[in-house]
Amino acid sequence: SQQGEEDPQALSIQEGENATMNCSYKTSINNLQWYRQNSGRGLVHLILIRSNEREKHSGRLRVTLDTSKKSSSLLITASRAADTASYFCATQPGANNLFFGTGTRLTVIP
Amino acid sequence: DTAVSQTPKYLVTQMGNDKSIKCEQNLGHDTMYWYKQDSKKFLKIMFSYNNKELIINETVPNRFSPKSPDKAHLNLHINSLELGDSAVYFCASSHTGQGRSNQPQHFGDGTRLSIL
Repeated sequence: SQQGEEDPQALSIQEGENATMNCSYKTSINNLQWYRQNSGRGLVHLILIRSNEREKHSGRLRVTLDTSKKSSSLLITASRAADTASYFCATQPGANNLFFGTGTRLTVIP
Repeated sequence: DTAVSQTPKYLVTQMGNDKSIKCEQNLGHDTMYWYKQDSKKFLKIMFSYNNKELIINETVPNRFSPKSPDKAHLNLHINSLELGDSAVYFCASSHTGQGRSNQPQHFGDGTRLSIL
């Protein structure tokens, strides 16, 4: 299976705190991507990190990638209530298909 | 201005029926996809398609068939619907091909299919 796994499955924090989600995968990859899904909506792309990159930032998001451990983490700093959503990592072994992790449900309490 | 749009948003139907879900993208992408999200929120690729190649996930039953009238559309047709087909189906699109690796995918808002 090319499916990734995310940890934790659910995370509840206070507004202003940082949230860290982890993703582990099994196969070699071209890149790893993180997506957000709000309830009842489609997935929204957050950030893409290539296999030769180790860290990437976008606004309040910081992603790390360790290909030797086949793992990635997503850090959201200074969380807001609007960050409440499910977060998925997805690996892209080739040019096309994405293989998603199991997701982390983040709740940010105002 | 919706980039990837799916219709219908909700689909409730009887077991054994045949149904179609439509997807359109106005992003000029050359590749489109269908994903299935089950009740545990697990997302699984079903198909990817561009004008040259259809890649089918081998676990997808042949009751499911993608149909693409043009580059901007990829519809999903399902024959003989079963209870286990109940899920949310997402369409997505992206640029692929030479010089376009490492591109994100853009998703529609999903079609919630319920089989009675």
